Amino acid sequence: SQQGEEDPQALSIQEGENATMNCSYKTSINNLQWYRQNSGRGLVHLILIRSNEREKHSGRLRVTLDTSKKSSSLLITASRAADTASYFCATRFQGGSEKLVFGKGMKLTVNP
Amino acid sequence: EAEVAQSPRYKITEKSQAVAFWCDPISGHATLYWYRQILGQGPELLVQFQDESVVDDSQLPKDRFSAERLKGVDSTLKIQPAELGDSAMYLCASSSKIGGAEAFFGQGTRLTVV
Repeated sequence: SQQGEEDPQALSIQEGENATMNCSYKTSINNLQWYRQNSGRGLVHLILIRSNEREKHSGRLRVTLDTSKKSSSLLITASRAADTASYFCATRFQGGSEKLVFGKGMKLTVNP
Repeated sequence: EAEVAQSPRYKITEKSQAVAFWCDPISGHATLYWYRQILGQGPELLVQFQDESVVDDSQLPKDRFSAERLKGVDSTLKIQPAELGDSAMYLCASSSKIGGAEAFFGQGTRLTVV
């Protein structure tokens, strides 16, 4: 079964606006990662936040992690048409195989 | 730039036939994953290798699916016999180690079973 749940499932915004997507998960994690997937292609890693971190930045991306609420958010600032894609959160379980489990994804459309 | 190579990119097969996918991970990456992604959904982990050993195959339908990574480098995923419900994108990924690293994905193999 999949670990993360993204919210909303779809978002449509205008170029220049900010986009926020949320992810909730169920069990203890080692880290949480965000990936992007353009239509019909493989996934590309965007950013990783460890369980002992609360916030991380990378370019126009800002990710937060609240382990007490088992949730994370990804903020894309000043969106561009090229940001149109599906976005997935993925969690690394603690212990065992430390497998990487993906959520169902969120479709972001940025209109020019 | 190093990439995960997958082949073929597209495969159409008739149900009950056998089909195989190949993956060559980034050099030096010990961990290799096979995921299945149904259209509109997130990737589902089928099998995870650490070197040549399987560390997780809890979601692999073992009656028809098999995976191997004999020398701890490239890997093959096989389906025999294929069923209509197996139509999906099959994604291979690799990472440098178990313990938190990001995964690098190939472009995937789009399988259509007719």
